[in-house]
Amino acid sequence: DAGVIQSPRHEVTEMGQEVTLRCKPISGHNSLFWYRQTMMRGLELLIYFNNNVPIDDSGMPEDRFSAKMPNASFSTLKIQPSEPRDSAVYFCASSSLGLYTFGSGTRLTVV
Amino acid sequence: SQKIEQNSEALNIQEGKTATLTCNYTNYSPAYLQWYRQDPGRGPVFLLLIRENEKEKRKERLKVTFDTTLKQSLFHITASQPADSATYLCATPYSSASKIIFGSGTRLSIRP
Repeated sequence: DAGVIQSPRHEVTEMGQEVTLRCKPISGHNSLFWYRQTMMRGLELLIYFNNNVPIDDSGMPEDRFSAKMPNASFSTLKIQPSEPRDSAVYFCASSSLGLYTFGSGTRLTVV
Repeated sequence: SQKIEQNSEALNIQEGKTATLTCNYTNYSPAYLQWYRQDPGRGPVFLLLIRENEKEKRKERLKVTFDTTLKQSLFHITASQPADSATYLCATPYSSASKIIFGSGTRLSIRP
């Protein structure tokens, strides 16, 4: 198994633009999580899905952020419009039986 | 409010010594606690899980303890090596078994 696959690895965009981050979880894992990591706030849970259904989005910072999981093998995190304070590394993780596997992350820079 | 904390932001020790990292939690009682390793530019990688009814767990040179009275877990690396240099994060389930929250991490540096 190739693990959790995220794309792109790096994204640089201008303020106000739409950004879409992508994630392919490990096959057979029924839970998927989006985290954001910054020096100031560490690793923060944004949203998680169980069997493709959003369960808890209380960590999503504001309405500019949205996430979807149309099927068991794909999820997106969208930011529209993006702002400089959204700059961070965004991680996707999938889990089975409480054990998490993380992707390599997307480093987002909003200028 | 419920919090998980790793009080040491960074730890520097000599190769061959035992590294000990601390994780504290307040205002809740997690059923288990996990430790992860994170290298620069990579996602966290799961290392060990210890349950509330377990006092200690070992894996090769790693040892984790879980003291539910002190609300604390200790993570030990014995015979440390420069390759052990990384950031180590603790994590616990929070409000539901399906999601976990992370401490801020301790950056461990092992000097030759």
